[in-house]
Amino acid sequence: KAGVTQTPRYLIKTRGQQVTLSCSPISGHRSVSWYQQTPGQGLQFLFEYFSETQRNKGNFPGRFSGRQFSNSRSEMNVSTLELGDSALYLCASSLEGRGTSSEAFFGQGTRLTVV
Amino acid sequence: KQEVTQIPAALSVPEGENLVLNCSFTDSAIYNLQWFRQDPGKGLTSLLLIQSSQREQTSGRLNASLDKSSGRSTLYIAASQPGDSATYLCAVKPDKLIFGTGTRLQVFP
Repeated sequence: KAGVTQTPRYLIKTRGQQVTLSCSPISGHRSVSWYQQTPGQGLQFLFEYFSETQRNKGNFPGRFSGRQFSNSRSEMNVSTLELGDSALYLCASSLEGRGTSSEAFFGQGTRLTVV
Repeated sequence: KQEVTQIPAALSVPEGENLVLNCSFTDSAIYNLQWFRQDPGKGLTSLLLIQSSQREQTSGRLNASLDKSSGRSTLYIAASQPGDSATYLCAVKPDKLIFGTGTRLQVFP
């Protein structure tokens, strides 16, 4: 059974550009959550998608957005990139997500560097 | 507001030692608690999941306990090996995963 797949693994972007990250969850999982990991702030929750609907959102500016497709694959978009957006972005897949005790499984992450 | 704390922040031990990593949280209203392992620059690997109604879970040399009333969990690693070197993260789940800052473990031969 394939795990959570995130693409690309590495990205280098210039300030002001936008970027799209992709996450394919484990087959059968309907919940996809995104997290940002930085040395200073640790792991912070961005948002969760379930059945193509955003079900939960963290405290990030509107430049961070996402969506989920009918096959549960999810994309995350960051517009007008800032140096502080440099981070490891992690995607988590679970059967049901919010409001349940489903186990979360993470991908290998996308390392975004903004220069 | 739920806060998760992990102690110690770093630990360096010789191979073969038994270890205890600690995790504390401020709000007992959680669905579960998960322990993860993270190697440098990599994603998170789920080690153990403890449901809110459970007291402990075991997998191989790992044993995790949960005491919701006191807001504590411990991860016990038996007979540590150099391959156990990594950062260990605990996370509690009310509506989303809330992570501690991790314990960086180094096991030397």
